Amino acid sequence: GAVVSQHPSRVICKSGTSVKIECRSLDFQATTMFWYRQFPKKSLMLMATSNEGSKATYEQGVEKDKFLINHASLTLSTLTVTSAHPEDSSFYICSARDWGGARENTIYFGEGSWLTVV
Amino acid sequence: TQLLEQSPQFLSIQEGENLTVYCNSSSVFSSLQWYRQEPGEGPVLLVTVVTGGEVKKLKRLTFQFGDARKDSSLHITAAQPGDTGLYLCAGARRSNDYKLSFGAGTTVTVRA
Repeated sequence: GAVVSQHPSRVICKSGTSVKIECRSLDFQATTMFWYRQFPKKSLMLMATSNEGSKATYEQGVEKDKFLINHASLTLSTLTVTSAHPEDSSFYICSARDWGGARENTIYFGEGSWLTVV
Repeated sequence: TQLLEQSPQFLSIQEGENLTVYCNSSSVFSSLQWYRQEPGEGPVLLVTVVTGGEVKKLKRLTFQFGDARKDSSLHITAAQPGDTGLYLCAGARRSNDYKLSFGAGTTVTVRA
């Protein structure tokens, strides 16, 4: 089946620095990818939609200058958390939409990335 | 308020028992997906349903999409400890560019 890979799986950074998380679709092209944030024992909260070749669209309340998204190719989207603060510590998950074949607009998720800001 | 109301929020049962998780909405969805997530990992897709009234079976798991495509259920027969996890339903609507709207999730614990 389709696979979406996220890297790194865990990262620790110092407060005030920036950290980049990558999301790759491994066996299909994804014109659209999504970035979520998840708090412990809670559901996923959509942060933004990443569109290949154009600007990302952010959900209400998400700071676009803090969470920079780049979708430079059909298989790669990156999320950069800028000037990270301890409250940005969270589990970040990406997903990619597969429009192809009989998958009927299926969305597959990456493994997630734990970010800890110290 | 969430677009998809998922219930129950928590479910703890003994191995061998059956369980059902419900996902309800007042909105119509183009498709609905069920995921299972374990702590520290991303959600894993279990099934996608797209047709009203559709029933899909995956071993001991049975998924149903309501006739009006507003609700869905997940039924697990003879649950096993390996079924423990967070179950999430998520619906896509054309009016929302097919972005997924998630239910709050159901934490299922199957005791040996």
